[in-house]
Amino acid sequence: DADVTQTPRNRITKTGKRIMLECSQTKGHDRMYWYRQDPGLGLRLIYYSFDVKDINKGEISDGYSVSRQAQAKFSLSLESAIPNQTALYFCATSDISGRAPDTQYFGPGTRLTVL
Amino acid sequence: AQSVSQHNHHVILSEAASLELGCNYSYGGTVNLFWYVQYPGQHLQLLLKYFSGDPLVKGIKGFEAEFIKSKFSFNLRKPSVQWSDTAEYFCAVNARNSGTYKYIFGTGTRLKVLA
Repeated sequence: DADVTQTPRNRITKTGKRIMLECSQTKGHDRMYWYRQDPGLGLRLIYYSFDVKDINKGEISDGYSVSRQAQAKFSLSLESAIPNQTALYFCATSDISGRAPDTQYFGPGTRLTVL
Repeated sequence: AQSVSQHNHHVILSEAASLELGCNYSYGGTVNLFWYVQYPGQHLQLLLKYFSGDPLVKGIKGFEAEFIKSKFSFNLRKPSVQWSDTAEYFCAVNARNSGTYKYIFGTGTRLKVLA
């Protein structure tokens, strides 16, 4: 679904480096989310934002920060990457209105490897 | 702590076999329930959802799920699977109680359908 895009799609970095993952959406949704997926653990919520001025921690926010630059943009930063942050990262959006509020619309994912 | 349990991690079926994937959640408040699917090489996408009303909900591609409140379950079913149903399936619970927002995914079930 090209409505939610993520850059980069793949990234290999070294321990201690600062990394930024970017997410853009054209769906016009107010809500945006960052998840990480690890084998056997499913998806876990890192941060979420209900509008430009609203940022909230999810269940695993330690070591991460986010910025909501505009309604359409939500970036995730790893200030000092460590190997156990190696994972597949997904951005998602949702809308509070309509018949299916908070249905998540996912981007294609960013595969991050920290050496 | 709130959680979502998917008891089957890997399922292998032959075409035309019936499918049931279990999902149980631990959350005492009002919940919205989802099943998402990730086909090989594609984004996570919504399969079906339950918000209220008829506890038997129908989704895309012949899938259905039944919400049984007394059992905290939302099992996914399909009477006759096809090779194209090979994918990873995630159950998810969305809840908001006393200002706390939760979106919790299960660990996923990898389904392989043999032609």
